[in-house]
Amino acid sequence: ELKVEQNPLFLSMQEGKNYTIYCNYSTTSDRLYWYRQDPGKSLESLFVLLSNGAVKQEGRLMASLDTKARLSTLHITAAVHDLSATYFCAVNFGNEKLTFGTGTRLTIIP
Amino acid sequence: DSGVTQTPKHLITATGQRVTLRCSPRSGDLSVYWYQQSLDQGLQFLIQYYNGEERAKGNILERFSAQQFPDLHSELNLSSLELGDSALYFCASCAGSGDTQYFGPGTRLTVL
Repeated sequence: ELKVEQNPLFLSMQEGKNYTIYCNYSTTSDRLYWYRQDPGKSLESLFVLLSNGAVKQEGRLMASLDTKARLSTLHITAAVHDLSATYFCAVNFGNEKLTFGTGTRLTIIP
Repeated sequence: DSGVTQTPKHLITATGQRVTLRCSPRSGDLSVYWYQQSLDQGLQFLIQYYNGEERAKGNILERFSAQQFPDLHSELNLSSLELGDSALYFCASCAGSGDTQYFGPGTRLTVL
């Protein structure tokens, strides 16, 4: 079965702290995507990771991919309130569609 | 703004009814995907079209159908609606296989 698991499901962080969201998937893939969703809004593309060892950074967010471990991480550095949202990873298992993780609801508190 | 448009934004209807959701992909994108987002099921892929032809099918109910027209816009038809069909329906488009999918603003369907 093609599965994508994220943890944690909920994350409450203090401003200025660092944290990591984990995304595990069940079988081989070399295409992994991270999206952000604000409440009631659409999904915004953050990163696409296309190969083993890929690392992408944008502002306080950094994503990496380890295809051998079937693991991607989204690292948040020195969190600010603007980063509060739900973050999804999604995997393309070679069958055109995206299989999404459950999402991580991130809340940044002052 | 992703460049993908969806109408309507909100739809409220009764059980047993039929509705049509519309999506226009980004300029130049040939692939259109439909997803359903609900609290209990999360984000689920429904169906994909590429240049007018069905390319992949996911957990789409028989009561649901879709098509993509020659101008590349797509419609998702939901019939014999049930309370459990209440959800956010997203359309996404991309240029080619494996490329980043860009999502539209969604249609929130409420079935009463």
